[in-house]
Amino acid sequence: AQSVTQPDIHITVSEGASLELRCNYSYGATPYLFWYVQSPGQGLQLLLKYFSGDTLVQGIKGFEAEFKRSQSSFNLRKPSVHWSDAAEYFCAVEGTGGFKTIFGAGTRLFVKA
Amino acid sequence: GAGVSQTPSNKVTEKGKYVELRCDPISGHTALYWYRQSLGQGPEFLIYFQGTGAADDSGLPNDRFFAVRPEGSVSTLKIQRTERGDSAVYLCASSEGTAGANVLTFGAGSRLTVL
Repeated sequence: AQSVTQPDIHITVSEGASLELRCNYSYGATPYLFWYVQSPGQGLQLLLKYFSGDTLVQGIKGFEAEFKRSQSSFNLRKPSVHWSDAAEYFCAVEGTGGFKTIFGAGTRLFVKA
Repeated sequence: GAGVSQTPSNKVTEKGKYVELRCDPISGHTALYWYRQSLGQGPEFLIYFQGTGAADDSGLPNDRFFAVRPEGSVSTLKIQRTERGDSAVYLCASSEGTAGANVLTFGAGSRLTVL
């Protein structure tokens, strides 16, 4: 069965600084990987997804993530954080044998002026 | 519909009561999911449907929880003999249900409080 670990419960970055949120997964084969964002009072929204091919994927709002098979990781990055990026970020994995999608515990991002 | 609709948005009930939470997915989406999100946690998988059938119900915590999707669209999550530990936000999501990288569209959730 697949599982997801997000090691950082919360992260604080200054506005304009770069960001990296960590995600490690456990799955026997190459999974499908996702990052979702949940802003206060909002529903979960897809940021980006990895299916296959190019291991660096681009998403909305200037986010990108890199799949590294050797490290079982799918870290989320953004070169310059905006105050509106403050939210909770969830990494998720879907096993290739079905449609069950498992989420990590989330990382809450705080942005300081 | 244009998005995933969940009702009620808030439900307060007493311990031991029966509760139903409804999800109306995006029209044409064949896959429907239920998750539970407790404060400070990620969404916890409960069950998903492909069409009318429960394809995977391995996340249902016990037999007090049951979900149906009789016509392959609207789904109802049913919780019997509610307990205080059932208090959480129950999220519904739907997807096209095609093989490979199933993108979930989530509803706003139903917040359940058991007193």
